[in-house]
Amino acid sequence: GAVVSQHPSWVICKSGTSVKIECRSLDFQATTMFWYRQFPKQSLMLMATSNEGSKATYEQGVEKDKFLINHASLTLSTLTVTSAHPEDSSFYICSARGGQNTEAFFGQGTRLTVV
Amino acid sequence: GENVEQHPSTLSVQEGDSAVIKCTYSDSASNYFPWYKQELGKRPQLIIDIRSNVGEKKDQRIAVTLNKTAKHFSLHITETQPEDSAVYFCAASWAKYIFGTGTRLKVLA
Repeated sequence: GAVVSQHPSWVICKSGTSVKIECRSLDFQATTMFWYRQFPKQSLMLMATSNEGSKATYEQGVEKDKFLINHASLTLSTLTVTSAHPEDSSFYICSARGGQNTEAFFGQGTRLTVV
Repeated sequence: GENVEQHPSTLSVQEGDSAVIKCTYSDSASNYFPWYKQELGKRPQLIIDIRSNVGEKKDQRIAVTLNKTAKHFSLHITETQPEDSAVYFCAASWAKYIFGTGTRLKVLA
């Protein structure tokens, strides 16, 4: 299958700082990327859907000013957690697909710990 | 809003028996239905998928069925083995890609 690379795999940051997570499709053009967060023993909760060149569509309850998503190219999307707080600690994972009705390929995830 | 319900949340079966996991989706625009297996702390791994123009698909011990009218789709695992023990997620996709709540499957040796 296609390869999606997500970095960093884990990050520890101080409360109040910002963290940027990158999601790259290495061998295909990703017209759509999805960002999820996953708490322990829970499902993947969709945060936002990002189409290349467009503003991201955020799910209800997700603060767009706190979770900044940029999808400036067909191979790269970034999620910036601004002014992080301990409750933002979670597993964040991206996925990318080349077209609707097709499989989305997942990055390896980023474990964020805010102290 | 759109959602995907998944049942059961936990399932224990004896080795060799079959396991069935069911999902229901709300948005009729959904046209792609993948199933994933996820190990703790790792990315989901696709195990089988089905598109809306197909009613059933099989790959060795794994099969998926889709009932578009009822907005139901199910995962069937036959001849279960201990290594099938994992957390399984269904998803429904159109413009979005929404996951079900997950099923923890335990196969007892």
